[in-house]
Amino acid sequence: SAVISQKPSRDICQRGTSLTIQCQVDSQVTMMFWYRQQPGQSLTLIATANQGSEATYESGFVIDKFPISRPNLTFSTLTVSNMSPEDSSIYLCSVDPPGGNTIYFGEGSWLTVV
Amino acid sequence: TQLLEQSPQFLSIQEGENLTVYCNSSSVFSSLQWYRQEPGEGPVLLVTVVTGGEVKKLKRLTFQFGDARKDSSLHITAAQTGDTGLYLCADGDTGNQFYFGTGTSLTVIP
Repeated sequence: SAVISQKPSRDICQRGTSLTIQCQVDSQVTMMFWYRQQPGQSLTLIATANQGSEATYESGFVIDKFPISRPNLTFSTLTVSNMSPEDSSIYLCSVDPPGGNTIYFGEGSWLTVV
Repeated sequence: TQLLEQSPQFLSIQEGENLTVYCNSSSVFSSLQWYRQEPGEGPVLLVTVVTGGEVKKLKRLTFQFGDARKDSSLHITAAQTGDTGLYLCADGDTGNQFYFGTGTSLTVIP
């Protein structure tokens, strides 16, 4: 298993600003994933972050809007840039520890853009 | 991209009743996971099924994987208020990218 900490847990942001979400894992993992969960909906994969290479983005998500850093095997950041109210969502970090086919989630970062 | 449809989307039942939720895929699952997400928290894994026809039980929860590995069901017996939450199925494909179903929001009324 893995213990994942995300910061901030909640924030209210002004339209047009950017916010960086941090994700810290208690063990080294190869792959980290960032998901978005809009109110009342399921999870949508934004991108996969691998240490030492650029993140791989899913269709509909671009690096300019959601830049990701992965400086080491236990940490990643997701920035939501130039926010609009449509970006109001829960953003979840997850990891897939070695040896299994299960992913574990942080508690999420709930962003409200006003 | 795989499409995972869950039904029903919303379900509200009385405590003590039984219920079943379904997950259907447009393609064969690599492996199938069921998660439950409570408000304000991230999803938590309930079970993983891999083999077609597999049935797993977790206390009052019974998970069934279709023979063709394209569908699954989750049955809850004698629902409790603590079962309230969003139930999500997910497929971990060969690229280790997990795609989630549309979700079933369950409310158990005391």
